[in-house]
Amino acid sequence: QVQLVQSGSELKKPGASVKVSCKASGYIFSTYKVIWVRQAPGQGLEWMGWINTRTADPTYAQDLAGRFVLSLDSSVSTAYLQINNLKPEDTAVYYCAREGDRSSWYTVDYWGQGTLVTVSS
Amino acid sequence: QAVLTQPASLSASPGASASLTCTLRSGVNVGVYRIYWYQQKPGSPPQYLLRYNTDSENQRASGVPSRFSGSKDASANAGILLISGLQSEDEADYHCMIWHDNAAVFGGGTKLTVL
Repeated sequence: QVQLVQSGSELKKPGASVKVSCKASGYIFSTYKVIWVRQAPGQGLEWMGWINTRTADPTYAQDLAGRFVLSLDSSVSTAYLQINNLKPEDTAVYYCAREGDRSSWYTVDYWGQGTLVTVSS
Repeated sequence: QAVLTQPASLSASPGASASLTCTLRSGVNVGVYRIYWYQQKPGSPPQYLLRYNTDSENQRASGVPSRFSGSKDASANAGILLISGLQSEDEADYHCMIWHDNAAVFGGGTKLTVL
């Protein structure tokens, strides 16, 4: 069955970096993009961007600062989100999810369990 | 003004129907967008429910009961998630989403209370 399994919760100080992983299984990794979505406490969902799992090309949401980096290790079917220079407002649950292609009208169907990143001094 | 607007909360009784709206900003025509709906329960990730474009082009996710259906209201420029025969387990947050300008855009979510 399709699964996206994310790394565990993180507690970081402002200015530090964090790298969240998302390991996919149960499907061919390169046939679906991986998107990242964050949810601040008590808030809605915010799309952060996606990474093309064939080319490793990332696309980022326009209003996000250049502190976020999406990457892949296709050999282990894993996508990564790195956040640099963490700020308290980055405190959120970060989700990865897979996005289908045009044949499914780009449906985002399976989600990881989420990774809580807490930024506090 | 946000691209997608959802009411913050909605209450309905067990067995009744609930109509959750997702209103698109003026100038963003619901007729050209597929609306995706997600259910999220506390402490859990969003779960894909369904995609709606037209009555002939829509999809309910595997395992999602037929009580969940989508539609559009062109006059209100809104997507609609209809849940009929409400059950206690339907109590959750519901998020709508569209692909707009090559980016995923979410509504703020509606908290559905079944009481």
